[in-house]
Amino acid sequence: AQTVTQSQPEMSVQEAETVTLSCTYDTSESDYYLFWYKQPPSRQMILVIRQEAYKQQNATENRFSVNFQKAAKSFSLKISDSQLGDAAMYFCAGDSNYQLIWGAGTKLIIKP
Amino acid sequence: NAGVTQTPKFQVLKTGQSMTLQCAQDMNHNSMYWYRQDPGMGLRLIYYSASEGTTDKGEVPNGYNVSRLNKREFSLRLESAAPSQTSVYFCASSYQGLGEFFGPGTRLTVL
Repeated sequence: AQTVTQSQPEMSVQEAETVTLSCTYDTSESDYYLFWYKQPPSRQMILVIRQEAYKQQNATENRFSVNFQKAAKSFSLKISDSQLGDAAMYFCAGDSNYQLIWGAGTKLIIKP
Repeated sequence: NAGVTQTPKFQVLKTGQSMTLQCAQDMNHNSMYWYRQDPGMGLRLIYYSASEGTTDKGEVPNGYNVSRLNKREFSLRLESAAPSQTSVYFCASSYQGLGEFFGPGTRLTVL
């Protein structure tokens, strides 16, 4: 069975600094997709970034980028130039047979 | 293009009452999902529908039923609400590896 592990319950970063959130996705599949979602205090779930496992190039969306290490099963999210609006819960997820398998989430605190 | 819409946004029920949460998507996605999220917790899958005409149980299906009315609509029914079903309910839809797109959620309180 696939599992997604986020080992950091909470992270904090100074505004304008860079922070990396960690995630591991254990699967026997060779082709799959990985995602990072953001959930701000409004509770809306927002798709931040998506990575296809067969692509060697790491995905980037503006200030958000991933470091995907397939062999190590690692899928970390880097947020550059952190802003107050980045404060949220961040969930990592991997797809499996029409479903997403979710991590427990990391709470990101931005210090002004 | 409204994306995923959910009604109602808030609901208060008494124990034993029934209700149906409505969800609709206009993105022509094949798959739809119902999740619950308890305070301070992650998402737990209640039911999903991989395609029109099919539904399957997720992690926490007890006390719920679903109907995939057509490709656009996927409803969640609580037949006899219990306080343990107090939660925020999210509907989502997806298409082949694009990820899941979520509605704004329904905040349900069962007294």
